[in-house]
Order: sequence, then C-alpha cells, then structure tokens
Amino acid sequence: DVKVTQSSRYLVKRTGEKVFLECVQDMDHENMFWYRQDPGLGLRLIYFSYDVKMKEKGDIPEGYSVSREKKERFSLILESASTNQTSMYLCASSLGSPSYEQYFGPGTRLTVT
Amino acid sequence: DQQVKQNSPSLSVQEGRISILNCDYTNSMFDYFLWYKKYPAEGPTFLISISSIKDKNEDGRFTVFLNKSAKHLSLHIVPSQPGDSAVYFCAASARSGGSNYKLTFGKGTLLTVNP
Repeated sequence: DVKVTQSSRYLVKRTGEKVFLECVQDMDHENMFWYRQDPGLGLRLIYFSYDVKMKEKGDIPEGYSVSREKKERFSLILESASTNQTSMYLCASSLGSPSYEQYFGPGTRLTVT
Repeated sequence: DQQVKQNSPSLSVQEGRISILNCDYTNSMFDYFLWYKKYPAEGPTFLISISSIKDKNEDGRFTVFLNKSAKHLSLHIVPSQPGDSAVYFCAASARSGGSNYKLTFGKGTLLTVNP
C-alpha cells in the first residue's frame, strides 16, 4: 500500500511565523502535490513537483513556496503565515503515466492566530 | 473559471437506496476522470476512475458513467450504506495535454446515508 505521511496532524502558529509542512511518500512516486481544502471551495492545488528539484505553481501559489530535495519528500513553506492561510493542507503523490491516481496523506490542520 | 463542477453541495439518501452524485466539466481536453471519497479529518481516498474511451466503469457497489457529449459524469452507489456518508470529489485530468500528472477537482458533494 502507498503511504503518504505528513509531519503534523494539527499545528497552531502565529501571524508572521515561518511554517514548514513536511510530506513523505514511500512508493517511489515521481509526482507530489500540495493542496489546501476549505469549506465550499474543494481542493485547490498550491504547488506540485514532477521530479526532484522541479516544481510548478498550481492555482493558488501566492504566499507559499516548496522544496523537493529528495524524491520521497516534498515540503510546503509559508514564508510569513497569515490568518487567511488557516486551512487543511493535504499532500498527495502519484506515479504518473499510466497511473493517474493520487494518494493523499491524512492532512495537516493549520491554524494561524 | 471552474472547470469541474459539482453543483449539489449535499445529498441525503436512505440506506439501501441508490445514491447518484453528479459532475460536469467544461474543458474538452479532459480525458480521464476520478472519484475520491473523504471522511472528516482524513485525506481523500481514491474510489473509481474512468477513461474517456469508455462510458461506464463498475467496481462493486460503485459505478461511474461518462457522457462525453454532455461533458457529464455521475457516480452511482447501490445499495447505499451509512458508511458511505462522506464528501465525494470529482476530479479530471488532461493526459494528452502534457499535464498528465495534474488533477482538477470539483468542490465536493456531502453524501449522508440515513439508516
């Protein structure tokens, strides 16, 4: 079974703090993704990576950056956390062609106060 | 511009009856479609998928139907069970468009199955 783990289930940070969310997958998947989920807005893609050190902006990259130094690990960075970044953050990975299914981690509920 | 639309935010059905969740898309480049189920405080889990070369795919109690001309797909759950109560997300991919790793998700439909 594919396993995607996220470093924290719940996180509380203060406005202006730098926040790191870590994601690790154990299936040698090429592609990794960061989403945020908000009520009524569904899953919105923040950033994705299709290879080590490669990244592309998703639909809502503003206020975020990412790092992928190793194939199994994909980090999401909030450079200066703001209250509107309070959300559920979901990491996913996928093998790519021919399998397009993405496998998700359990999520991190981030609260910025 | 919302490319994948789930117009029903919620759906309530009785246990044992059929649940039908609908999804519409606007991007004609989409050629692969997936359904995910999400319980509260958990990540989404993959449920079933369909390629645009098919119009139906079945897996146990779950069947997905695709109508390409209408740009519409639906997920049927028969019979519905209380454990099916969750948020269901429709997702689409444009494999031939070079973004074969990216999924576009709808906003989700909360299904409640009443005992």
